[in-house]
Amino acid sequence: QSALTQPASVSGSPGQSITISCTGTSSDVGGYNYVSWYQQHPGKAPKLMIYEVSNRPSGVPDRFSGSKSGNTASLTISGLQAEDEADYYCSSYTSSHVVFGGGTKLTVL
Amino acid sequence: EVQLVESGGGLVQPGGSLRLSCAASGFTFSSYWMSWVRQAPGKGLEWVANIKQDGSEKYYVDSVKGRFTISRDNAKNSLYLQMNSLRAEDTAVYYCAREAMAGTGAFDYWGQGTLVTVSS
Repeated sequence: QSALTQPASVSGSPGQSITISCTGTSSDVGGYNYVSWYQQHPGKAPKLMIYEVSNRPSGVPDRFSGSKSGNTASLTISGLQAEDEADYYCSSYTSSHVVFGGGTKLTVL
Repeated sequence: EVQLVESGGGLVQPGGSLRLSCAASGFTFSSYWMSWVRQAPGKGLEWVANIKQDGSEKYYVDSVKGRFTISRDNAKNSLYLQMNSLRAEDTAVYYCAREAMAGTGAFDYWGQGTLVTVSS
């Protein structure tokens, strides 16, 4: 049950695109198409942004997209906006458990 | 409107116990897996435990096995987390979360969280 690996921070300018990686193992990210991504603003509860690798819940802008290759999943945010500045967490389902990544702080310059 | 409201957090001494509750409304509670997820101050998210719709299956992160017990009362639309033998490292905001679809680990609704502080 080791945490998934995410970069501690990423940054980008408004309008640009950024990608956050999430690396696990064949027992979690690589073994299941059940990777999710969450956005968390300071003092708020997390919000589901992507589920099952690449699906967006209703109401999530299509600027947010997800993908996976092998043991690494990725979240891409295109057309960065100021309100995208937040912490982002990936997670993976694995054998009736869930494991989260350590989180990535996105700064919009 | 789906709502999850946690309660029961507070200050407790090391070795003590606390019971968290999560009141659910706005959806058919008995149809969903539910989880507890915690976040230590300034740290990332950590999944703690989950429970099947009828309570027949429960799973825990290794660090809380034998100390925490997840349960639910579908008649009261409520989720619980009994926490015993608490340690300083259990200090965190505890969220209850609904799993969107069984077996996916995707949490589509979260409560506002309740803070548990373990300190002497």
